Amino acid sequence: SYVLTQPPSVSVAPGQTAGITCGGINIGSKNVYWYQQRPGQAPVLVVGDDSDRPSGIPDRFSGSNSGNTATLTITKVEAGDEADYYCQVWDSLSDHGVFGGGTKLTVL
Amino acid sequence: EVQLVESGGGLVQPGGSLRLSCAASGITLRIYSMNWVRQAPGKGLEWVSYISSSGNNIYYADSVKGRFTISRDNAKNSLYLQMNSLRAEDTALYYCARGVDGFDLWGQGTMVTVSS
Repeated sequence: SYVLTQPPSVSVAPGQTAGITCGGINIGSKNVYWYQQRPGQAPVLVVGDDSDRPSGIPDRFSGSNSGNTATLTITKVEAGDEADYYCQVWDSLSDHGVFGGGTKLTVL
Repeated sequence: EVQLVESGGGLVQPGGSLRLSCAASGITLRIYSMNWVRQAPGKGLEWVSYISSSGNNIYYADSVKGRFTISRDNAKNSLYLQMNSLRAEDTALYYCARGVDGFDLWGQGTMVTVSS
């Protein structure tokens, strides 16, 4: 089955840029989705189809995807960005949804 | 307001059954593919099942295949998950989520606890 690998944690100072990676074999050929989950809340889609932002998501959030790595980039990080972030793809070979293990973003 | 609201969770003994529901408001569910995604306490997200808008295409995670059944009633604007032969490892918060490849609308979840 398809596997997505994320770093367990990323730390960044306020105002700086955070990058969260998502590794998978040839992930560049797939559409990657990124979700933000604050404590006690449901996940929220922040980036879809590799780099599209849903309505209401600040343009500080962006995505890229190439080769074996997709990246969620958050610029000018704020305290409110502290959350768990998950990448996700649809594996068309198995017809399964696949999530990465999640990355806890800590704002120092 | 566009929202999904799950219900039907609770405490059940191992081997037991539960039926989860997901009611939609503000949207016409019948035009969307839908999913169930779960999250065990303190753990990450796990995709569980998918059903196409027509109901003709249905997929399950290997961990639940043969025990769970996804269905929809478009007339009631609702999605369901029938869960049988429940195990301790099925304990999780269960979310319904709209989408085909990615999930752009989520409910708040309903908690399922499997314990004797």
